[in-house]
This record gives sequence, structure tokens and C-alpha cells, in this order.
Amino acid sequence: GNSVTQMEGPVTLSEEAFLTINCTYTATGYPSLFWYVQYPGEGLQLLLKATKADDKGSNKGFEATYRKETTSFHLEKGSVQVSDSAVYFCALEGNTGGFKTIFGAGTRLFVKA
Amino acid sequence: DGGITQSPKYLFRKEGQNVTLSCEQNLNHDAMYWYRQDPGQGLRLIYYSQIVNDFQKGDIAEGYSVSREKKESFPLTVTSAQKNPTAFYLCASSIGLELNYGYTFGSGTRLTVV
Repeated sequence: GNSVTQMEGPVTLSEEAFLTINCTYTATGYPSLFWYVQYPGEGLQLLLKATKADDKGSNKGFEATYRKETTSFHLEKGSVQVSDSAVYFCALEGNTGGFKTIFGAGTRLFVKA
Repeated sequence: DGGITQSPKYLFRKEGQNVTLSCEQNLNHDAMYWYRQDPGQGLRLIYYSQIVNDFQKGDIAEGYSVSREKKESFPLTVTSAQKNPTAFYLCASSIGLELNYGYTFGSGTRLTVV
């Protein structure tokens, strides 16, 4: 079945450092891929998405490229801020075998001033 | 602004008591979902509904029940049969089962057994 694997956290960075959070997936067909962000005590917010191979999703300085050859959708940001401290979830929406969205376990990011 | 409203934000339940968590959306979305999140863990699907008067069990439906009498509303009841209900509950909606749009989430209800 479909699955999503994220790098374990927490990830701790200093302000203005480069961020990468790895996400790989297993799926049949051609899934859509998403990154969500969850701030403390809140629900998840859609951060960015990509719907086909080689698409790049971007928002608020974050980027992720849909790599079918490596089945990956790594999240990157060139210069993180303290306000980026949150939990980041990679997710997959399959188009075969049912609609269900599969979420990764989440990666907690701490950014120090 | 359109969105999803979950209430209450915090809820305390006594042993053996049923409680109902509210979820209302004004996005005109067809599909709605309930997820459970435990500390430091990902999301697990409890129930989902594609259209009014229809809903399906997710991965961890035991001890929970839902109804979908109106498009805007998808309440979740945590019954006394749920042995470990303390968790953060998230309601979400999407345009439908069409792909590519992603989910809109509410701000969650934190349920604690006392």
C-alpha cells in the first residue's frame, strides 16, 4: 500500500540556516504530494503541493520538488526564521486503490535565535 | 472568511461518559474527515464522509461514532467504549474526492479523561 517516510526529528537550526526535511514515498500510480505545517496547539495548514513529476511547489520561502525517479519530496528553505519553528508533515494523496491521504509521522523543527 | 470551526478547544471527559466534538465548515466542501493525533505522532484517520448521510470507517474507528446530516457539519462522538480517548482531535475537509486540492483543517479539540 501507499506510505510516507519522513526524517526523524527534532531538527534544531540557528536562524538563517538552510533547512532540508527529507520525505520519501511509496505509491502506485501517480500520487499528489503535499507538505503541511502545524504550529503549537493548532491544526495543520497546507504549506505547498505538487501534483505531477518534476513539479515544484513553493510558498513562504519553502520549496519541494516532486522527484518520481527517487520517490522523494524533500522540503527546503534557504534561510529559516524563529517563526518557522513547527512540526512539518509530508502527505500523499493516491489516485489508485482509494482516495485516502497518507500522512508522514511529522518532523519537529526548532529554530534558535 | 471560510474555514472550519471546531469546538470546544478543550474538553474533559469522565470515565464512562460519552462526549461529542463539533466540526462545522462553511467552505461548501463535500468531504469531511476526523483524525486523532497523539503526542509526537502523526495523524490517524477515525472516520470520513464523502457526502451527506454517508460516512466510512477509517483506521481507528472503534469507540467512535459520527453523523453527517448536513453538508456543513460532521460531529464526532467519543463513546465510553474508547478506552484511551485522551488525544488531540482534528477535523478536516476537502472539496471532494478529487485529487490535488489538499485538506483544510480546523484548530483542533484537545480531549482529556479525568
